[in-house]
Amino acid sequence: DTGVSQDPRHKITKRGQNVTFRCDPISEHNRLYWYRQTLGQGPEFLTYFQNEAQLEKSRLLSDRFSAERPKGSFSTLEIQRTEQGDSAMYLCASSKGLLYEQYFGPGTRLTVT
Amino acid sequence: AQTVTQSQPEMSVQEAETVTLSCTYDTSESDYYLFWYKQPPSRQMILVIRQEAYKQQNATENRFSVNFQKAAKSFSLKISDSQLGDAAMYFCAYRTLEGAQKLVFGQGTRLTINP
Repeated sequence: DTGVSQDPRHKITKRGQNVTFRCDPISEHNRLYWYRQTLGQGPEFLTYFQNEAQLEKSRLLSDRFSAERPKGSFSTLEIQRTEQGDSAMYLCASSKGLLYEQYFGPGTRLTVT
Repeated sequence: AQTVTQSQPEMSVQEAETVTLSCTYDTSESDYYLFWYKQPPSRQMILVIRQEAYKQQNATENRFSVNFQKAAKSFSLKISDSQLGDAAMYFCAYRTLEGAQKLVFGQGTRLTINP
């Protein structure tokens, strides 16, 4: 069990640029979540995958955000035309299934200048 | 929609003493899970303890225990014999049993341990 990994750990980008983050869940976990955590706040749910299907999206996920999980393995979260308000920690979590614990990755800290 | 409130932005405790972190939540559901997560500085979130709403018995994990009051919608965390390694942000979280079973987090309490 190598844990949930995320790449990159830090990303600094200029406003208007596109960025993509990757999450590798624990290998047997079929559920994958993305959360966003702004400074001094608790994480907020963005979206959820069960295997390769994206089953739920938060209203926080504007049209500039897109997430994929091809073949039900790793997931990517892309933000197009970044804005300063997108600066946050983006957390990925995975779980084995119903009623199981969600394991979190270390997060990707995005800074938009 | 469910909400979680942590009214203590910061707490501090002397090493080896006991501290209690507060959490209240709002829901119309009768069955759900509650969690306390720990987020050390620059490190990832880890689960401290969980409580199933249908269980009357309060959960305990070594030095960590909860006081779950379902009618009052209160879920506090007690840390006994505080250690320096307990210093972290602590988040209370609610999880529905439906749909995505996403976590709804409180704002967090920053716990400082004084040696």
